[in-house]
Amino acid sequence: NAGVMQNPRHLVRRRGQEARLRCSPMKGHSHVYWYRQLPEEGLKFMVYLQKENIIDESGMPKERFSAEFPKEGPSILRIQQVVRGDSAAYFCASSLRDYNEQFFGPGTRLTVL
Amino acid sequence: ELKVEQNPLFLSMQEGKNYTIYCNYSTTSDRLYWYRQDPGKSLESLFVLLSNGAVKQEGRLMASLDTKARLSTLHITAAVHDLSATYFCAVVSMVDDKIIFGKGTRLHILP
Repeated sequence: NAGVMQNPRHLVRRRGQEARLRCSPMKGHSHVYWYRQLPEEGLKFMVYLQKENIIDESGMPKERFSAEFPKEGPSILRIQQVVRGDSAAYFCASSLRDYNEQFFGPGTRLTVL
Repeated sequence: ELKVEQNPLFLSMQEGKNYTIYCNYSTTSDRLYWYRQDPGKSLESLFVLLSNGAVKQEGRLMASLDTKARLSTLHITAAVHDLSATYFCAVVSMVDDKIIFGKGTRLHILP
């Protein structure tokens, strides 16, 4: 399967713990985007990365959230000290070129207890 | 700042009927995407519209783009229950290349 892979698919954390979400882009894609979707809402852009570079993080909360896309390995979205309001579905997408058609992964559904 | 508005946000219709979902946006763009999302699932790409007057069709769905009016439409012909889903448009701004999603249209087709 050459599609966008995300893991875990479901993640449960208690308040104050850390959440790490992983995304492997489609084969040949070097552009990765992270989105957050709250129940019954659309997608909110969080961050756009290329290998080893953050291109646009204008949608990332200023605190507790960080993202990386290392030279080797998947892109990681990290949420420190999670709070209940972080509960959402987090989708990763990848594209062949910048802001080109994006292909979405299955998402990680984060639940904070 | 690019704003994308979809309407209606919720649509309940009977099988066999036709209807149109609208996607308006506020700034210059030459790239617009339509996606479908089933409950609890990811987004599936439906159409990529790249130029003024672009029209694409797939089965009972047809999408068009009018860049001068800053409007895209997704037309459903003779709806069937399987088309029940949430449909999102996403617009790429020519000003700063940002991509913004609409809030989505939840389509519920009654048998």
